[in-house]
Amino acid sequence: EDQVTQSPEALRLQEGESSSLNCSYTVSGLRGLFWYRQDPGKGPEFLFTLYSAGEEKEKERLKATLTKKESFLHITAPKPEDSATYLCAVEGYGGATNKLIFGTGTLLAVQP
Amino acid sequence: DTAVSQTPKYLVTQMGNDKSIKCEQNLGHDTMYWYKQDSKKFLKIMFSYNNKELIINETVPNRFSPKSPDKAHLNLHINSLELGDSAVYFCASSQDFGLAGGGRMQFFGPGTRLTVL
Repeated sequence: EDQVTQSPEALRLQEGESSSLNCSYTVSGLRGLFWYRQDPGKGPEFLFTLYSAGEEKEKERLKATLTKKESFLHITAPKPEDSATYLCAVEGYGGATNKLIFGTGTLLAVQP
Repeated sequence: DTAVSQTPKYLVTQMGNDKSIKCEQNLGHDTMYWYKQDSKKFLKIMFSYNNKELIINETVPNRFSPKSPDKAHLNLHINSLELGDSAVYFCASSQDFGLAGGGRMQFFGPGTRLTVL
């Protein structure tokens, strides 16, 4: 069964203090790995899709990387506005098309 | 313009009642979804529709019945509400190029917080 585990559950950073969030996954053939950001009281907002090991994508202070077993979301010099819950999800070839399996997220707090 | 919209934003009701949540997307997507997010923020897919056809139907009580009148709308009707149905329900949509595709980003609505008393 496809599974996603995110760590840490919560992370508190000082503004400018770079760090990484981890997403470990098991899937029967990876169709795609997705990162979303969720602010309190709002729906998840799409950040990145990664399709194969070695792939990297960047957007402003965020960089997502992918290996065969895990993905990292690197946050460089974070700002308070980066505070949110970051969700990782996978879609596997063993499941129905477009069926995303989500992790429980990492709650990131960036203090000024 | 809101891409994926849901109504109502909040829904408070008594056990045993029947309620509906409506979802509309103006992105021209052909696949729509319903997700449930529990109190621990775990997001789990319930249903998906592609061009009004039910594709994903997870292990959800049959008190939950999705209905898609057209590919821009996907409503969720819940009969005989129970305390455990309290959660945030999200609608989402994606553009697919045939069912063999996949790997498509999904756009989420703002959510409907359902509280069953």
